[in-house]
Amino acid sequence: EPEVTQTPSHQVTQMGQEVILRCVPISNHLYFYWYRQILGQKVEFLVSFYNNEISEKSEIFDDQFSVERPDGSNFTLKIRSTKLEDSAMYFCAGQRVSSTDTQYFGPGTRLTVL
Amino acid sequence: GIQVEQSPPDLILQEGANSTLRCNFSDSVNNLQWFHQNPWGQLINLFYIPSGTKQNGRLSATTVATERYSLLYISSSQTTDSGVYFCAVIGAQKLVFGQGTRLTINP
Repeated sequence: EPEVTQTPSHQVTQMGQEVILRCVPISNHLYFYWYRQILGQKVEFLVSFYNNEISEKSEIFDDQFSVERPDGSNFTLKIRSTKLEDSAMYFCAGQRVSSTDTQYFGPGTRLTVL
Repeated sequence: GIQVEQSPPDLILQEGANSTLRCNFSDSVNNLQWFHQNPWGQLINLFYIPSGTKQNGRLSATTVATERYSLLYISSSQTTDSGVYFCAVIGAQKLVFGQGTRLTINP
């Protein structure tokens, strides 16, 4: 069964550094998402992406964040200048058909900002 | 936006017991999913269940969309069932998660 994959599984970075989190969605999916989960809290929506553009973003997704799908397979989340409060688990998800279909999640990347 | 509330927040049971987890949501939804977050933090899809009842082994789920709630049943609990169970709903496009129920199964 196809799966969503994410790399790296764990990233440690210094405050102020840029990080890129990578995801390879399931090949026939059209809608893509990033979510994050701060330790001990619930999972929160960051951004949705369809047809090579952002379709919705949360207030968490400020100018420090960006997403792209550069080669039609990888889907990346970039944080330009990390802050301590960006430490969290970041999940990528994909969906074949919007709104009514199952969202399939990757295993997550645990980001630790020191 | 849609609000999702899960209860109870914590549940501690002995191995072999049955449990019922509840998810209430504030508005009509197009999608409802149940997840199990394992000790490594991975979100495991359990059910996609916007309405009706589904069963998968010892787990089953029922969603009554008109009354805006869903229930997850775990029968004959095993220690490997421990973890956090999340309910998530879609109103527009994104999933909105509840706070989760932390289930601990003791041997």
